[in-house]
Amino acid sequence: GQNIDQPTEMTATEGAIVQINCTYQTSGFNGLFWYQQHAGEAPTFLSYNVLDGLEEKGRFSSFLSRSKGYSYLLLKELQMKDSASYLCAVNPGNTPLVFGKGTRLSVIA
Amino acid sequence: DTAVSQTPKYLVTQMGNDKSIKCEQNLGHDTMYWYKQDSKKFLKIMFSYNNKELIINETVPNRFSPKSPDKAHLNLHINSLELGDSAVYFCASSQDNLFPNEKLFFGSGTQLSVL
Repeated sequence: GQNIDQPTEMTATEGAIVQINCTYQTSGFNGLFWYQQHAGEAPTFLSYNVLDGLEEKGRFSSFLSRSKGYSYLLLKELQMKDSASYLCAVNPGNTPLVFGKGTRLSVIA
Repeated sequence: DTAVSQTPKYLVTQMGNDKSIKCEQNLGHDTMYWYKQDSKKFLKIMFSYNNKELIINETVPNRFSPKSPDKAHLNLHINSLELGDSAVYFCASSQDNLFPNEKLFFGSGTQLSVL
């Protein structure tokens, strides 16, 4: 089976840094994605990791450890517009993306 | 220019009715998908089509029947709607299903409410 875990909700302050964790146990592994989904909107692609290490893209960074089945999304200099759900998804290799239940991030002033 | 468009945005209907959701992508992608997102925001794959052919059919009741007239369209028809079908349905596409880093492009979703 496929299992992807991430916290349900997080709250952080504007200007701060927040780390959203994701652990996975899947039948195969061909990479891990992070998507952002604002309320009432479609998910949009943020990042993709297939090798261990940190990928930085502006204020957002994503980390992967394949041996630990672990990833995190790091958001720096938080802005109110970053309030959204963040979905961790794994490509198991022979099926479409498997998504976690998402972490709803609330950024407060 | 909307890359993946689905209609309608909202769909409210009675139990037992039959309804359809349409999806079109203008990205030239080969693979299209239907995902269901329940009230807890869990996004789950339902179907995957590659070049009009069904390649993935997860455990979905046969009341749900996808139809792909061409590779740019993937419609979803639902018969005998039940209360548990209430959810947001997302159409998505990707260039193909062969490369591991292929990202999905999602439509804006159809919120289905069965009364």
